[in-house]
Amino acid sequence: DQQVKQNSPSLSVQEGRISILNCDYTNSMFDYFLWYKKYPAEGPTFLISISSIKDKNEDGRFTVFLNKSAKHLSLHIVPSQPGDSAVYFCAAIGGGSEKLVFGKGTKLTVNP
Amino acid sequence: NAGVMQNPRHLVRRRGQEARLRCSPMKGHSHVYWYRQLPEEGLKFMVYLQKENIIDESGMPKERFSAEFPKEGPSILRIQQVVRGDSAAYFCASSPPGSTSDAGDQPQHFGDGTRLSIL
Repeated sequence: DQQVKQNSPSLSVQEGRISILNCDYTNSMFDYFLWYKKYPAEGPTFLISISSIKDKNEDGRFTVFLNKSAKHLSLHIVPSQPGDSAVYFCAAIGGGSEKLVFGKGTKLTVNP
Repeated sequence: NAGVMQNPRHLVRRRGQEARLRCSPMKGHSHVYWYRQLPEEGLKFMVYLQKENIIDESGMPKERFSAEFPKEGPSILRIQQVVRGDSAAYFCASSPPGSTSDAGDQPQHFGDGTRLSIL
């Protein structure tokens, strides 16, 4: 039973364009959502997060949008850069638990 | 500015041996979490510990796996009598006191993992 789903295993975009990574969740107890970026042979690095009381959070080139009614969130990267090429994981937490529940990840490739 | 330190980075064991994975949290962090990542999968929660206490072990297999976070020293994830299916990347994360949900820009920070291979 996958509570956090990233339905696109991969995404390819041109440098300078927008990257949009999507994530869906099923557990309505989740109240905090995070995006992590992961390079091969390294651990996940925290990127940006959003609380369920907000619908948008922005940090530089990265913006996360949350649609609670649809149980959907997305990460926008603009403009995309080749160094953004990595696997992006969506994660959720809530219901009094401290465990992060991860999606399977989306591999982003930004072409020069 | 030391982050979460995990060692060894790579560990090879034969079936039936024991594997010990170590994790030193970031300075000032008192919460430690262990996650496992199988190939082509996301990270799966295993256990959450505070100093000398296991808080949540709901993701830990009932047999052969154990974890500790002693008063002094690193957190240890121990796998006894390893089998081929234990081959995976094991990641440790740490966070400061308080809830991850209240942590703002101080959520769980991850180490670079230990890649365990079982021959």
